[in-house]
Amino acid sequence: GAVVSQHPSWVICKSGTSVKIECRSLDFQATTMFWYRQFPKQSLMLMATSNEGSKATYEQGVEKDKFLINHASLTLSTLTVTSAHPEDSSFYICSALQGAGRATETQYFGPGTRLLVL
Amino acid sequence: KQEVTQIPAALSVPEGENLVLNCSFTDSAIYNLQWFRQDPGKGLTSLLLIQSSQREQTSGRLNASLDKSSGRSTLYIAASQPGDSATYLCAVEAGAGSYQLTFGKGTKLSVIP
Repeated sequence: GAVVSQHPSWVICKSGTSVKIECRSLDFQATTMFWYRQFPKQSLMLMATSNEGSKATYEQGVEKDKFLINHASLTLSTLTVTSAHPEDSSFYICSALQGAGRATETQYFGPGTRLLVL
Repeated sequence: KQEVTQIPAALSVPEGENLVLNCSFTDSAIYNLQWFRQDPGKGLTSLLLIQSSQREQTSGRLNASLDKSSGRSTLYIAASQPGDSATYLCAVEAGAGSYQLTFGKGTKLSVIP
């Protein structure tokens, strides 16, 4: 099956620093990728939809200036958490759409990135 | 706003037992429903996808049913094994073309050898 990778898998940073998380589709091209966040014992929440070559679409309540998304190629989307604070500590998961046409497209998920802000 | 609820939050069963996980959603206008498996600290693996027009899907020991009108889905696992231990997530997609998933909090399953 299709593979989506994320890097890094684990990151610890100091409060106030910025952290970049990469999401790559390894064996397929993905025009659309999604970024989710999962707090402990909570459900995955969609943060934003990343479209190659255009601006990301953010869900209500997600600050676009804090969570910068760049989808510069068909295999890479990046999420940058700017000026991270302890409340941003979470598990960030991306997914990528593979396929052409509504009937065949499948969403594949990455392994996630655990962010701890001290 | 769509809300997805999964019951129970946690479940512990002896190996070999059959079990049922429940999922309910508040808005029946869904495009499809998926069941995922999430292992600790890892991403999601899609187990079964049921289109809104379908009633059930089967894969091996797994069977998922969908009753869209009542906003319910169940995941049936037959002859459970220790390797089935994981968190099972239910997610619904609203509207054709959105691809945006609303997840439940999951059911943490432990299968005791």
